[in-house]
Amino acid sequence: QSMLTQPPSVSAAPGQTVTISCSGSGANIGSYYVSWYQQVPGTAPKLVIYENRRRPPGIPDRISGSKSGTSATLTISGLQIVDEADYYCGTWDTHLGNGVFGGGTSLTVL
Amino acid sequence: EVLLVQSGEEVKKPGESLKISCQFSGYNFTDKWIGWVRLKSGRGLEWMGVIYSTDSDTRYSPSFDGQVTLSADDSIDTAFLHWSGLRASDSAFYYCTTTDRIGGPWTHWGQGSLVTVSS
Repeated sequence: QSMLTQPPSVSAAPGQTVTISCSGSGANIGSYYVSWYQQVPGTAPKLVIYENRRRPPGIPDRISGSKSGTSATLTISGLQIVDEADYYCGTWDTHLGNGVFGGGTSLTVL
Repeated sequence: EVLLVQSGEEVKKPGESLKISCQFSGYNFTDKWIGWVRLKSGRGLEWMGVIYSTDSDTRYSPSFDGQVTLSADDSIDTAFLHWSGLRASDSAFYYCTTTDRIGGPWTHWGQGSLVTVSS
């Protein structure tokens, strides 16, 4: 069971907007920045959001992140087929003394 | 170009030992944290542990403590993940990744190493 809780799946049509939630505790999200990773099956994870809301070079601005208290949210607007992937939130956990991921959310673009 | 290059696919028998590698290319190995992540079908990404490249300070996730050993050799810019006795349940993809600070984003990832353990 993951320390961070995500919905198992979300889906929407091309052009629409989806949000993926990530819920944790004061020992992880409440104390550290949150990152989001995109993983297309068969490929390595890719950082798409860091420090709660910042985008690495090359990540489109239709992908955004936010954090409030012990929860974080990834928002993808103007959905495209290329966005189909598994998305994981991640941060550090003070009690574990290690990194933690959410269970992952499978995004389907209908 | 920054590359983390992992060793190739491995097929082993239960009880055998294995060490897989992650070599940095085009990226300073010094003063980096290297993390290892497991991906098993139906379980998502799981943190195994992290190691600091400069002094090999190592921290294991509780689920993997005692099950694997992390190491790093800064003379060859390479980190390692070692099993002394594999089990069928260790069959999975393994990824290395890196950050420059604890709590920071894991910015670069290896391509993954597939390990299959079967009798």
